[in-house]
Amino acid sequence: TQLLEQSPQFLSIQEGENLTVYCNSSSVFSSLQWYRQEPGEGPVLLVTVVTGGEVKKLKRLTFQFGDARKDSSLHITAAQPGDTGLYLCAGAVFGNEKLTFGTGTRLTIIP
Amino acid sequence: NAGVMQNPRHLVRRRGQEARLRCSPMKGHSHVYWYRQLPEEGLKFMVYLQKENIIDESGMPKERFSAEFPKEGPSILRIQQVVRGDSAAYFCASSPGLETQYFGPGTRLLVL
Repeated sequence: TQLLEQSPQFLSIQEGENLTVYCNSSSVFSSLQWYRQEPGEGPVLLVTVVTGGEVKKLKRLTFQFGDARKDSSLHITAAQPGDTGLYLCAGAVFGNEKLTFGTGTRLTIIP
Repeated sequence: NAGVMQNPRHLVRRRGQEARLRCSPMKGHSHVYWYRQLPEEGLKFMVYLQKENIIDESGMPKERFSAEFPKEGPSILRIQQVVRGDSAAYFCASSPGLETQYFGPGTRLLVL
């Protein structure tokens, strides 16, 4: 069974600060996706990473996939209140389509 | 291009009734997945379907739950004889093939 652990579980910071959220596993994944979920809504895809060591940037968000494909990080620069939400990582294993979701990080940006 | 659509968004059932949840994938997507999110828990995989075929149902409870994705029309997740423990948010996702999945807004099921 693949498990994805996210840290921290909760994070509350001031607007303008930087932050990093981690997604770790002992299993190897063929790809890893990051989603953000608002209350009462479904997860919205932010990025998919597929290559070990890959770094993707999406405006103020930087995503990294670990060299060994077991971990990933999400870094947000100059956080804004609109970044508030539940951030989920989800991994797929070679030859298996289903996603294993992480435990989630609930981020609150204080204006 | 419309996203994944799910209906109803909210569903209230009494214990013992049936619940039918519908999912229309994004245009051009032939892969559909169902996930369940229990209160204060993460999303858990239930079932993966392609048109007219169940590919992986390893996350589905053995009894009362079934899923289909007919040649025409939406995918249906059916829960028979619902119990209070079935109360959850049920999400559908679709993909054109491997890897990236796009999620619908979910159906919130409340069993009284």
